[in-house]
Amino acid sequence: SAVISQKPSRDICQRGTSLTIQCQVDSQVTMMFWYRQQPGQSLTLIATANQGSEATYESGFVIDKFPISRPNLTFSTLTVSNMSPEDSSIYLCSVVPGQRYEQYFGPGTRLTVT
Amino acid sequence: RKEVEQDPGPFNVPEGATVAFNCTYSNSASQSFFWYRQDCRKEPKLLMSVYSSGNEDGRFTAQLNRASQYISLLIRDSKLSDSATYLCVVNTGRRALTFGSGTRLQVQP
Repeated sequence: SAVISQKPSRDICQRGTSLTIQCQVDSQVTMMFWYRQQPGQSLTLIATANQGSEATYESGFVIDKFPISRPNLTFSTLTVSNMSPEDSSIYLCSVVPGQRYEQYFGPGTRLTVT
Repeated sequence: RKEVEQDPGPFNVPEGATVAFNCTYSNSASQSFFWYRQDCRKEPKLLMSVYSSGNEDGRFTAQLNRASQYISLLIRDSKLSDSATYLCVVNTGRRALTFGSGTRLQVQP
């Protein structure tokens, strides 16, 4: 497995502002993902964070709203831009540390937009 | 149709009971299958991978039926600490995961 940390753990933000979430892994990993979990819902994939190239976004998510950086194999950031109350969610990063498809999740960032 | 379907529950069972969760998936090209556990206000944690031959880990047994596109999880001798939401998760080969909506289990004393 891998040890994953996220910052901040929670935040309350005003609409129209942006928040950048950091994800740090204790070892180099090729695959890193960002998910969203809205209240009472399951997880939805936002994008795959690719090291050295642009992130790959899922349907319904765009780079202008959720820009992602992946400067190296242990770190990534997700920015939630121009926030609205509908962006209130838990945002989680995950990694695939080995050859198999098993994924491990960070503790999540709980975002509330007022 | 959802890609991964689960009964949301809740399943309310007494301590010591055996409980089974089922899950169906729609993409026949799915390659890897997992059960995750999620406690309230926590991140999902990998419970077990599911192999074609079935696998067991202590009180937990997972089964896969590729022909019927069906996955199951059996928990024997339920403990209070087993109370959580159990997520059926499928990988279609892209490395990212598709999550079911989860089945909530409440084990009662």
